[in-house]
Amino acid sequence: KNEVEQSPQNLTAQEGEFITINCSYSVGISALHWLQQHPGGGIVSLFMLSSGKKKHGRLIATINIQEKHSSLHITASHPRDSAVYICAVRSETSGSRLTFGEGTQLTVNP
Amino acid sequence: EAGVTQFPSHSVIEKGQTVTLRCDPISGHDNLYWYRRVMGKEIKFLLHFVKESKQDESGMPNNRFLAERTGGTYSTLKVQPAELEDSGVYFCASSQDIGGVEQFFGPGTRLTVL
Repeated sequence: KNEVEQSPQNLTAQEGEFITINCSYSVGISALHWLQQHPGGGIVSLFMLSSGKKKHGRLIATINIQEKHSSLHITASHPRDSAVYICAVRSETSGSRLTFGEGTQLTVNP
Repeated sequence: EAGVTQFPSHSVIEKGQTVTLRCDPISGHDNLYWYRRVMGKEIKFLLHFVKESKQDESGMPNNRFLAERTGGTYSTLKVQPAELEDSGVYFCASSQDIGGVEQFFGPGTRLTVL
């Protein structure tokens, strides 16, 4: 079982919908990252958080350390949001290496 | 400021051949990471350099993989001899410090071993 689990694996939405992607992890962490990968493209860091909530534009990331759970929300989704969203954690015991979830493929239809 | 760059973007080789991947981190970033995503699996850590030293190479799959970072600037990852299961996307990332900082990823090198 992977230390980082994401759900759903695939998500299809209509433009304008509110989207939530979930990430659960089983280890103590020092930080959690949300990353975005477009088809054929590299990986872009969206958020790094260790507590609470962060917001950037239409994206919101929250984390509950006690429950070992994080969510990524996209408000007013748009077709250009279509990408793979990846959750990754830096555990307390493994230095600065990241452990990744399998990713969530998001498709937003016009 | 230029981001992390990787070369080549795509490599197709035959089983048994040798391939060398290159990563140029963001200038001034002492920390350099190699990760790999094989088909259908999550991205996995390979190793971590701090300047020219290997800080953590626990993710290297076997001795067919050799990573170097001479001079503490760019890094190379050589696979010799390549096997079918080495196919995947190899990502490089760099960061300024070790703890509590963002890692910046390169575009990846897609390796196909036939």
